Amino acid sequence: NAGVMQNPRHLVRRRGQEARLRCSPMKGHSHVYWYRQLPEEGLKFMVYLQKENIIDESGMPKERFSAEFPKEGPSILRIQQVVRGDSAAYFCASSPYEGYEAFFGQGTRLTVV
Amino acid sequence: EDQVTQSPEALRLQEGESSSLNCSYTVSGLRGLFWYRQDPGKGPEFLFTLYSAGEEKEKERLKATLTKKESFLHITAPKPEDSATYLCAVQGKGYSTLTFGKGTMLLVSP
Repeated sequence: NAGVMQNPRHLVRRRGQEARLRCSPMKGHSHVYWYRQLPEEGLKFMVYLQKENIIDESGMPKERFSAEFPKEGPSILRIQQVVRGDSAAYFCASSPYEGYEAFFGQGTRLTVV
Repeated sequence: EDQVTQSPEALRLQEGESSSLNCSYTVSGLRGLFWYRQDPGKGPEFLFTLYSAGEEKEKERLKATLTKKESFLHITAPKPEDSATYLCAVQGKGYSTLTFGKGTMLLVSP
């Protein structure tokens, strides 16, 4: 059973470009969570999705950030017009049930130059 | 607002030297307390979930315990391969998301 798959592992974007981060949950998992980890800081919750629905986006900046988890295909975290402060590691986690243990992917490290 | 504080920030042990990591938390109704291990450049790896005060769980050289205010991760006779950052997180009742502490970076020297 493959784990949570994230790609790309590393992403470099110039200021003003768009970044698209993809996450394929573990087989049988329909709950997806996105977290961001900044240097010297802990993991911070961004958004919680189920298939085709955003359940909780209270941790996601109101502008430039969006997330989706379509019926078919991976979950996507999209950052428009990236700025240097968006440089961080972005982790996706999935779980089979609401409130169950979440299993993390290896992350996407975004660098904005 | 849920809060998690981990101490110490960093811990250096000799191989075989047992110790404990602390996780203090405040949450309005605890649903679960989670321990993860994170290696450099990798994602967090799930270790344990504790649900109620008094509960204990063990895995190899690790044992996690829980009280109403804090959790401890006890490491018995650690080995160099136990070197990693250990993360604690809480999940409050009524929601699924996790609030993480900043972690304890453990280094075990041979």
